[in-house]
Amino acid sequence: QKEVEQDPGPLSVPEGAIVSLNCTYSNSAFQYFMWYRQYSRKGPELLMYTYSSGNKEDGRFTAQVDKSSKYISLFIRDSQPSDSATYLCAMIRTGNTPLVFGKGTRLSVIA
Amino acid sequence: DGGITQSPKYLFRKEGQNVTLSCEQNLNHDAMYWYRQDPGQGLRLIYYSQIVNDFQKGDIAEGYSVSREKKESFPLTVTSAQKNPTAFYLCASREDRAYNEQFFGPGTRLTVL
Repeated sequence: QKEVEQDPGPLSVPEGAIVSLNCTYSNSAFQYFMWYRQYSRKGPELLMYTYSSGNKEDGRFTAQVDKSSKYISLFIRDSQPSDSATYLCAMIRTGNTPLVFGKGTRLSVIA
Repeated sequence: DGGITQSPKYLFRKEGQNVTLSCEQNLNHDAMYWYRQDPGQGLRLIYYSQIVNDFQKGDIAEGYSVSREKKESFPLTVTSAQKNPTAFYLCASREDRAYNEQFFGPGTRLTVL
């Protein structure tokens, strides 16, 4: 079993829809959970990060972590065509270890 | 501007040739990373370095080599031993204590002809 599982999609939604992106993981030692956004042929950019369990909101984006289920989610409200990108989840055990990435989910928001 | 630069943006090489990808950062970060990205494969870690003159293999180090002679530079050499080198290569860096944001460079697209 891979440490981090993420459905690669592709996922296509109409503009204005609520998008739900998810990752599951197997290692209970992960403490920090991140979502990166990557536009085509560009480097990934950090979108949000969460420490331990709970929710975090930033504008139209909400990140949720459920450590009991080893499940993390990213919700995008009122999705826009500019949200079309690949979304990568990532997690880390402690500060001095490499991030572990999911495979990424490709999202298209259709106007 | 602070950030990570990778050069060149596109690179073509003939089979059997070694090629070196450049990565420079002016963020004063201790740790630097090299990833390979293939369609549907996500980011796979090749090598990483947490301090100058030291580096560790990642998940797919075979056919690659690195050096870390300066804090701001972490070049990656793709050798002829790498069987399928055509990919998008990403360099990243971050502070190596507690949690800190990991920044990525713009990437280098390597194509083997």
